[in-house]
Amino acid sequence: EIVLTQSPATLSLSPGERATLSCRASQSVSYLAWYQVKPGQAPRLLIYDASIRATGIPARFSGSGSGTDFTLTISSLEPEDFAVYYCQQRSSWPPFTFGPGTEVDIK
Amino acid sequence: EVQLVESGGGLVQSGGSLRLSCEVSGFTFENYWMTWVRQAPGKGLEWVANINEPGTEKYYADFLNGRFTISRDNAKTSLYLQMNSLRVEDTALYYCAKHRKDGYNRWESYFDWWGQGTLVTVSS
Repeated sequence: EIVLTQSPATLSLSPGERATLSCRASQSVSYLAWYQVKPGQAPRLLIYDASIRATGIPARFSGSGSGTDFTLTISSLEPEDFAVYYCQQRSSWPPFTFGPGTEVDIK
Repeated sequence: EVQLVESGGGLVQSGGSLRLSCEVSGFTFENYWMTWVRQAPGKGLEWVANINEPGTEKYYADFLNGRFTISRDNAKTSLYLQMNSLRVEDTALYYCAKHRKDGYNRWESYFDWWGQGTLVTVSS
């Protein structure tokens, strides 16, 4: 099973600041996604194949990386971006695995 | 508009059973793989099971040890999760989600639409 780790666990930032979230895989993966989860809402797919924005996702969200190291960047935080972010791999399954999440909260 | 609406959650004693449902609209249900993902209180997302378009292929997380069964009814545009021998550690918010398709109309295991979840609480 591929294990994903995310860092930091919590990121405290102010609106307008840049957020950089990391996801590391226990072995090389070719396919990685990022999701945003807010309480009481359906999770939202942000990025797939490491760097492709899903339909309707604002350009301030970008993904990069390959192999075992991946990054989600939010260029300038909007109030609605404060949430928990998860990475997910689909290279080796079952199971599909998620990282433990990074919470982006308001400083 | 794509919608996925889960139901069937509730409070059940350890060892009991529940059947979750997910009714979908806004897309051609019979053409998509579907998945269940759960989130225990204060924890992260955890994949549970998925099923192919006609319901002939099913995959499960190892930790289930055969206790859960995923199924679908394409005529009713609904996905199901039969949960037996429930344990306290199965307490979670259960989401259904739709698998994405790529530009060649091939299914991918990214989940592009999700419901808001149904809460399952297992008491001891």
